[in-house]
Amino acid sequence: GESVGLHLPTLSVQEGDNSIINCAYSNSASDYFIWYKQESGKGPQFIIDIRSNMDKRQGQRVTVLLNKTVKHLSLQIAATQPGDSAVYFCAENIPSGTYKYIFGTGTRLKVLA
Amino acid sequence: DGGITQSPKYLFRKEGQNVTLSCEQNLNHDAMYWYRQDPGQGLRLIYYSQIVNDFQKGDIAEGYSVSREKKESFPLTVTSAQKNPTAFYLCASSLADSYEQYFGPGTRLTVT
Repeated sequence: GESVGLHLPTLSVQEGDNSIINCAYSNSASDYFIWYKQESGKGPQFIIDIRSNMDKRQGQRVTVLLNKTVKHLSLQIAATQPGDSAVYFCAENIPSGTYKYIFGTGTRLKVLA
Repeated sequence: DGGITQSPKYLFRKEGQNVTLSCEQNLNHDAMYWYRQDPGQGLRLIYYSQIVNDFQKGDIAEGYSVSREKKESFPLTVTSAQKNPTAFYLCASSLADSYEQYFGPGTRLTVT
């Protein structure tokens, strides 16, 4: 919702430039990661996922990089568009026999025209 | 149109009242989840259900209750025992044995 975006770090990017959003995850045993996009007042949308046996995965205009050594995940958005403006957050799944996640707090992406 | 619906979008209640949030899905998903979202925090899991007539507490279940009588429905009741109920509530669902969760549009609950 609208107030969810308060107090979040903000990344401002010029339209057409590439964006890089970072996420530090908490558990070295996490084996699956998701990036979500959340527009104001809406539910999160799945963007891209990656398993821990991969370092990189590409989608349409998006790439996720995983660095297990430093427990770091990044989302790269190519040729950022005004419609990309939203809050982006990562989620990590810790193997526990259930599909439960730890969610990051998110980064607000602002695309400047 | 397949998806997850939550109603209402905005809900206002007086302190001391119980309130039930609706979540319905027509994706034929087995598992359903309720999360709470607060400013500056990641989503936190309240309850989840992997099969009809069964559900488990998440990380912040106190003051909440759920039921799963039908596969497509997973209502959440916010009771008067929940100390800080004002928040954005998100419902999600997934196939059994799937990592990918699909989220509904959310319900913003304000308790005064």
